[in-house]
Amino acid sequence: GAVVSQHPSWVICKSGTSVKIECRSLDFQATTMFWYRQFPKQSLMLMATSNEGSKATYEQGVEKDKFLINHASLTLSTLTVTSAHPEDSSFYICSASSNPIEAFFGQGTRLTVV
Amino acid sequence: DAKTTQPPSMDCAEGRAANLPCNHSTISGNEYVYWYRQIHSQGPQYIIHGLKNNETNEMASLIITEDRKSSTLILPHATLRDTAVYYCIVPYNNNDMRFGAGTRLTVKP
Repeated sequence: GAVVSQHPSWVICKSGTSVKIECRSLDFQATTMFWYRQFPKQSLMLMATSNEGSKATYEQGVEKDKFLINHASLTLSTLTVTSAHPEDSSFYICSASSNPIEAFFGQGTRLTVV
Repeated sequence: DAKTTQPPSMDCAEGRAANLPCNHSTISGNEYVYWYRQIHSQGPQYIIHGLKNNETNEMASLIITEDRKSSTLILPHATLRDTAVYYCIVPYNNNDMRFGAGTRLTVKP
């Protein structure tokens, strides 16, 4: 299957700082990318959907000014957690799709805010 | 948001077949059924998907009932490495995956 790579795999940041997570499709062009968040012992929750060159569509309850998503190219989307707080500590996962019937997931990024 | 229901947990003996059920009674005619699994602290791994015919690949088989209201994922010879949470998903659009609680499969020696 197609490969989606996230970077970094884990990150620790201080409260109040911002952290950027990258999601890359390595061997295909992703017209759509999705960002998820997963808290311990819970399922994945969709945060936002982004199409290349367009503004991201955020799910209800997700603050767009706090979770900045950029999908500037067909192989790269970034999620920036701004002014991070301990409650933002979570496992962040992206998926990428090039056609309407497939979605491939990255390996996830574990964010810890201290 | 998930359009599927699954049992929260199942056990299976190593080497035996694992049969994981999923109900999707509101599925419409052109919607696919997808199965992913998530091993602890990793991203979801694609297993298989289908529309109405049964499907088989190197990982698993997918059996979809004739009315398409339910399906079963079959791992023919479960190993300890198949221990994971298995998600059955009917996407809102075909690539918009909304995850339910899934089934936690534990393969026991």
